[in-house]
Amino acid sequence: NAGVMQNPRHLVRRRGQEARLRCSPMKGHSHVYWYRQLPEEGLKFMVYLQKENIIDESGMPKERFSAEFPKEGPSILRIQQVVRGDSAAYFCASSTYRGPNYEQYFGPGTRLTVT
Amino acid sequence: KQEVTQIPAALSVPEGENLVLNCSFTDSAIYNLQWFRQDPGKGLTSLLLIQSSQREQTSGRLNASLDKSSGRSTLYIAASQPGDSATYLCGPRGSTLGRLYFGRGTQLTVWP
Repeated sequence: NAGVMQNPRHLVRRRGQEARLRCSPMKGHSHVYWYRQLPEEGLKFMVYLQKENIIDESGMPKERFSAEFPKEGPSILRIQQVVRGDSAAYFCASSTYRGPNYEQYFGPGTRLTVT
Repeated sequence: KQEVTQIPAALSVPEGENLVLNCSFTDSAIYNLQWFRQDPGKGLTSLLLIQSSQREQTSGRLNASLDKSSGRSTLYIAASQPGDSATYLCGPRGSTLGRLYFGRGTQLTVWP
């Protein structure tokens, strides 16, 4: 059973370009979470999605950032017109609705560098 | 709003020592709490999950305790080894399928 997969693992973008980060949850998991880890800072929650629904986007910046988790395919975190401050590691986690633990499993992350 | 603090921020010890890593959180209304380790440049590996109704959870040389009412969890590492060197993060969770909250972690170095 493959774990949470993220690609690309490393992404370099110039200021003003778009970044697309992909996350494939563990098999059987229908809940996806995105977190961001800025240099020298802790992990910060961004958004929580179920298939075709955004459940909690309280951590998402209001502009330039969007996320989706379509019925088919991976979850996508999209950053438009990237700026240097977007340089960070972006982690995806997944969970199943079948309890009792609802443990979150993390992917290896995508390291975004904006030049 | 949930705030998580981990003490100490960094710890450097010789191998063989028994270690105590502390995590405190401001909102005691949690569903469960996960402990993770993060190696440099890598993702998070789940170590232990402790439910709000539990006081303790053990896995090998690791033992996590939870005092929900006082907003504290402790991770004990017995007989530390150089391979334990990593950053340790605790993540309390407010609801069954909700987000995790994180602090800055404890950076552990175990030297031979």
